[in-house]
Amino acid sequence: AQSVTQLGSHVSVSEGALVLLRCNYSSSVPPYLFWYVQYPNQGLQLLLKYTSAATLVKGINGFEAEFKKSETSFHLTKPSAHMSDAAEYFCAVRGNNDMRFGAGTRLTVKP
Amino acid sequence: DVKVTQSSRYLVKRTGEKVFLECVQDMDHENMFWYRQDPGLGLRLIYFSYDVKMKEKGDIPEGYSVSREKKERFSLILESASTNQTSMYLCASDSPKVFGETQYFGPGTRLLVL
Repeated sequence: AQSVTQLGSHVSVSEGALVLLRCNYSSSVPPYLFWYVQYPNQGLQLLLKYTSAATLVKGINGFEAEFKKSETSFHLTKPSAHMSDAAEYFCAVRGNNDMRFGAGTRLTVKP
Repeated sequence: DVKVTQSSRYLVKRTGEKVFLECVQDMDHENMFWYRQDPGLGLRLIYFSYDVKMKEKGDIPEGYSVSREKKERFSLILESASTNQTSMYLCASDSPKVFGETQYFGPGTRLLVL
């Protein structure tokens, strides 16, 4: 069965610093992987997805993620954090009929 | 744009009440899902439905039931609400026809059971 693990429930960065949110997956088949963002009191919004095309995936708001099969990782990065990036981020892997989510990482951006 | 709407953003109910949460999507999606979200636990699947009148249990179905009488509408029912069902409930939909498709989420319903 597919699953994802997010390393770090809280990440804090300064405005303008690099954002790195970690996600490792477990899958017996080539995975479809996703990153979602959730702003306070809202639903989840798709940031980007990997569907076996390019290993470096670019998403909205300047985020990108790199699929590394050898490391079973799909880490999310952004070169320069903005205050508006403060939110909770979820990594997910597509299952047979559903989506499997990580526990989430809350990103705080300090001025 | 895909739109998934949920009937309430906030609900306050008393223990033992029957609670209905409704979700409507406008993209003709076959699949619909109910999740509950709790801090540190991410999203956990309660039930999903892949067609009208069809339902499948997710990881935590106990204390919940669902109804899908129309393709666009998926209801979550708490038969007798309890305080441990205080949570954020998220509805989502997608189509199995699109390989690697994302799920589309509603804004969520924050339920407080007193």
